[in-house]
Amino acid sequence: EVQLVESGGGLVQPGGSLRLSCGTSTFTFSNYWMNWVRQAPGKGLEWVANIKQDGSEKYYVDSVKGRFTISRDNAKNSLYLQMNSLRAEDTAVYYCARALFGDYSTFDSWGQGTLVTVSS
Amino acid sequence: SYELTQPLSVSVSLGQTARITCGGNNIGSKNVHWYQQKPGQAPVLVIYRDSNRPSGIPERFSGSNSGNTATLTISRAQAGDEADYYCQVWDSSAVVFGGGTKLTVL
Repeated sequence: EVQLVESGGGLVQPGGSLRLSCGTSTFTFSNYWMNWVRQAPGKGLEWVANIKQDGSEKYYVDSVKGRFTISRDNAKNSLYLQMNSLRAEDTAVYYCARALFGDYSTFDSWGQGTLVTVSS
Repeated sequence: SYELTQPLSVSVSLGQTARITCGGNNIGSKNVHWYQQKPGQAPVLVIYRDSNRPSGIPERFSGSNSGNTATLTISRAQAGDEADYYCQVWDSSAVVFGGGTKLTVL
């Protein structure tokens, strides 16, 4: 069974930074595109970013461009999201999601999420 | 930017068929995926590339996509199908989700 475990969420002040991590040991991490998807409290899903298997391609939703950076370390089977200049509207549960093998935007496995709260 | 439109809520009687629509400009030319999310849980992929079911998803779940509307169909609805459902596509180098539909099983 595929397992993805997120960590790094918490309370941060507006303008602050946070780094999320997502790890696994249950599949060959380097073979898959990986994604971050978020969900504000009581709201719908919003895709944040994705990254190709070797890290050579990255895509972001417009609202986080220039503030968030997605990265990965295949040797550590880990995905990261560096979040800078955080705003109240970034408050959400952040999910790490794996894309289908050979795909980049269909999410077949999800972590349980980590909550990020941006508030003073 | 591309937009996907879903009804806020759909109700279905136990054992009947529920249909959840996802509207978008020429969505029939795109691959549409559907996710089920129950309260307090992560989403689960139930249909991918319009009409394909991942392993473990009951045959009661099916999908279609044509023109400006994609549809998720849930046959013989069960109480356990009560959840939020989201459609999703890839457009212009970005993932787009619909706003979500709350399915109530009466």
